[in-house]
Amino acid sequence: NAGVTQTPKFQVLKTGQSMTLQCAQDMNHNSMYWYRQDPGMGLRLIYYSASEGTTDKGEVPNGYNVSRLNKREFSLRLESAAPSQTSVYFCASSDRGTSVRPSYEQYFGPGTRLTVT
Amino acid sequence: GEDVEQSLFLSVREGDSSVINCTYTDSSSTYLYWYKQEPGAGLQLLTYIFSNMDMKQDQRLTVLLNKKDKHLSLRIADTQTGDSAIYFCAESPYAYSGAGSYQLTFGKGTKLSVIP
Repeated sequence: NAGVTQTPKFQVLKTGQSMTLQCAQDMNHNSMYWYRQDPGMGLRLIYYSASEGTTDKGEVPNGYNVSRLNKREFSLRLESAAPSQTSVYFCASSDRGTSVRPSYEQYFGPGTRLTVT
Repeated sequence: GEDVEQSLFLSVREGDSSVINCTYTDSSSTYLYWYKQEPGAGLQLLTYIFSNMDMKQDQRLTVLLNKKDKHLSLRIADTQTGDSAIYFCAESPYAYSGAGSYQLTFGKGTKLSVIP
């Protein structure tokens, strides 16, 4: 199992350009999440998808859109990139779990490092 | 809303114990977690504790929870250079709903530096 994969690993955009960050998981998880990580800010939730066909806003959704394409894939789109969106973006997934491990463990991808100039 | 606070930096000598502290504000927190992030990588769950527990031990890791003070700590015994990373405390306020979806609130992370 590859777990959670993200593409691309690195991206540089000019202000106003658009792009889509891709995320896929092969663990048959129901829920998927997009976070951004900024220095000294920890992780902040952008959007999440509780199950295929549903998406909800997180703490910092402005400037982003998401698509839950199917159970495996959850993409994040920047329609008009701004320098304030320079960040590291992490995708994560989770499912019900077992009696040994809680149902709330989130599995993270390796991240996409985005710079907007 | 929920808030999770951690100190930003900790430096220890190899072989010593490390103690990373965290405080949280949400009194309904059900699960509390420690995640580890190595340089250039995503986060990986280290350990977790239910809010009805006081302590959990897992090899070199000991988690202590003081629910009255809303204080969580992670102790790493015999700290090694491979333990150098950022450690995130996180909490989840929602009980298991069957939907498998919840929101984690993360602290800003504590960067642990291990001096050889």
